[in-house]
Amino acid sequence: GAVVSQHPSRVICKSGTSVKIECRSLDFQATTMFWYRQFPKQSLMLMATSNEGSKATYEQGVEKDKFLINHASLTLSTLTVTSAHPEDSSFYICSAEGLAGFSYNEQFFGPGTRLTVL
Amino acid sequence: GQQLNQSPQSMFIQEGEDVSMNCTSSSIFNTWLWYKQDPGEGPVLLIALYKAGELTSNGRLTAQFGITRKDSFLNISASIPSDVGIYFCAGIRTGNQFYFGTGTSLTVIP
Repeated sequence: GAVVSQHPSRVICKSGTSVKIECRSLDFQATTMFWYRQFPKQSLMLMATSNEGSKATYEQGVEKDKFLINHASLTLSTLTVTSAHPEDSSFYICSAEGLAGFSYNEQFFGPGTRLTVL
Repeated sequence: GQQLNQSPQSMFIQEGEDVSMNCTSSSIFNTWLWYKQDPGEGPVLLIALYKAGELTSNGRLTAQFGITRKDSFLNISASIPSDVGIYFCAGIRTGNQFYFGTGTSLTVIP
């Protein structure tokens, strides 16, 4: 149980284009999903917290107009990187917090999406 | 956001050796979690700790929730090559605030 998927796993795009990344909780409902960014050899940095049916909460320094988050259902959140540039190249990881049947709000992580902007 | 201090930053050990790493903070946490991340993958939850002083094992892994609630450690006994990866601690504070450690990179030499 507690499986989270991400799609795509890898994407290469041209500078200026937009990229959408999907995060799904496969066998549980998640009221809250989180989006992280990870640079090589570094820890995960929280970008935003996504709550089903409401606006996402962004961490300081993260542009909400650049990183659009939609959490339309209890099993799906999407992150759209708009007008991507090479500096947006990174490993993006989502996580989902269990709605019920889990103790103390552990987060379960997706396998990540490697974004490369040329 | 805030990150937890994790040490050591990296470790190179011989197969069969035991490993110990820890995570500290100046703040009190209600839950401590330990994750392992393989290259190109998302973190996978290894152990969750919910009470101060709690000692929990998962196979060759043992983790403890510090009495002060400001630290936690993870031990791996009899390391094997597949233990290679980055280990992250994470703490959850009141209000469901979630913080990650800086990570410990483990290399096991066969």
